[in-house]
Amino acid sequence: AQSVTQPDIHITVSEGASLELRCNYSYGATPYLFWYVQSPGQGLQLLLKYFSGDTLVQGIKGFEAEFKRSQSSFNLRKPSVHWSDAAEYFCAVVNTGGFKTIFGAGTRLFVKA
Amino acid sequence: SQTIHQWPATLVQPVGSPLSLECTVEGTSNPNLYWYRQAAGRGLQLLFYSVGIGQISSEVPQNLSASRPQDRQFILSSKKLLLSDSGFYLCAWTRTNYGYTFGSGTRLTVV
Repeated sequence: AQSVTQPDIHITVSEGASLELRCNYSYGATPYLFWYVQSPGQGLQLLLKYFSGDTLVQGIKGFEAEFKRSQSSFNLRKPSVHWSDAAEYFCAVVNTGGFKTIFGAGTRLFVKA
Repeated sequence: SQTIHQWPATLVQPVGSPLSLECTVEGTSNPNLYWYRQAAGRGLQLLFYSVGIGQISSEVPQNLSASRPQDRQFILSSKKLLLSDSGFYLCAWTRTNYGYTFGSGTRLTVV
């Protein structure tokens, strides 16, 4: 069965520092992968997605993610974090047939001044 | 452009009362529609999804039901709420294999 693992429950970074959020997936075929962000009390917003092609994908708000098939990973990165990036981040994979998205448990990002 | 509306934003209901949450999508046709629940400090649990009018798939047997009376309308219901139904309910739509667009959510507290 497909699954998504986000090893870090929460991460704290200083404003201006770089960020990497980890995501590992379990999937038999080429996966469709996503990162979403959720601010407190809000719905989720799509940051970026990977379907095929270039393994480094760019998203909104200065985020990027790299697909590494050999490591079954899809880590999210940002070179310089802003205080407004404090939120919860979810990695997700679409299951076979494409009707359901499987979400990781999320990583809460705290940004300190 | 496509938009998704979800209401109400917050709801406080007594145990045993009925529930109806509504979600509508604009600017697209025949979307895949979803209801998720997010318990405090936890991830997203898929409750129901629908790929067409009247077609509902249930992921978790529970006190809730869903209906899709129109192409772009998705309703989450309960006849009698339980304390354990409290949570943050999210509606979403997508085209197959594309990313979700989520509504802004409904915070349900059952007292």
